[in-house]
Amino acid sequence: SAVISQKPSRDICQRGTSLTIQCQVDSQVTMMFWYRQQPGQSLTLIATANQGSEATYESGFVIDKFPISRPNLTFSTLTVSNMSPEDSSIYLCSVEVARRLYSEAFFGQGTRLTVV
Amino acid sequence: DQQVKQNSPSLSVQEGRISILNCDYTNSMFDYFLWYKKYPAEGPTFLISISSIKDKNEDGRFTVFLNKSAKHLSLHIVPSQPGDSAVYFCAASYSGAGSYQLTFGKGTKLSVIP
Repeated sequence: SAVISQKPSRDICQRGTSLTIQCQVDSQVTMMFWYRQQPGQSLTLIATANQGSEATYESGFVIDKFPISRPNLTFSTLTVSNMSPEDSSIYLCSVEVARRLYSEAFFGQGTRLTVV
Repeated sequence: DQQVKQNSPSLSVQEGRISILNCDYTNSMFDYFLWYKKYPAEGPTFLISISSIKDKNEDGRFTVFLNKSAKHLSLHIVPSQPGDSAVYFCAASYSGAGSYQLTFGKGTKLSVIP
């Protein structure tokens, strides 16, 4: 398994500001993933972060809005930039652990962001 | 277009009875399905999974059934316990994706009433 420490667990931010969310894993992993869960919606993949290269963003998400850092194999940050109330969501980081037949995802505890 | 659908946002069940959570998918390329459980203020945790080569997988009180022709899977919890009260997410993936990616449903909030 993988133990993921994500912080902050929650924050209330003013619109127009930025928040950086940190994700620390207890083991080295190749890929880390950032998800968003808006109220009443699915967990939606924002981007995949590989160490040593730029993150790969899913449709609808751009680097200027959600810059990601991946300085080493155990750590990543996601920044929510120039926030608006529509960015109020739970943000989750995740890692993949390969099993024999499939890959299992482990998640951080999430960051509940409220933008006012 | 939502590829994984959980059409029931909530479900209430009496303690000791069976809980059945349903999930439908539209992408026929999905070949692996997982259920995650999420408590408030915590990240989702893996519960049980099933490969498309099977139609049933059982782990203790939890059983997942897969009907490929109907593109439908369900999670059965028997007997239901108050500690099972949580949001349950259905997720799907396919081996041809290259890199790992899960597609999630919106979740079903299960309330088990003592």
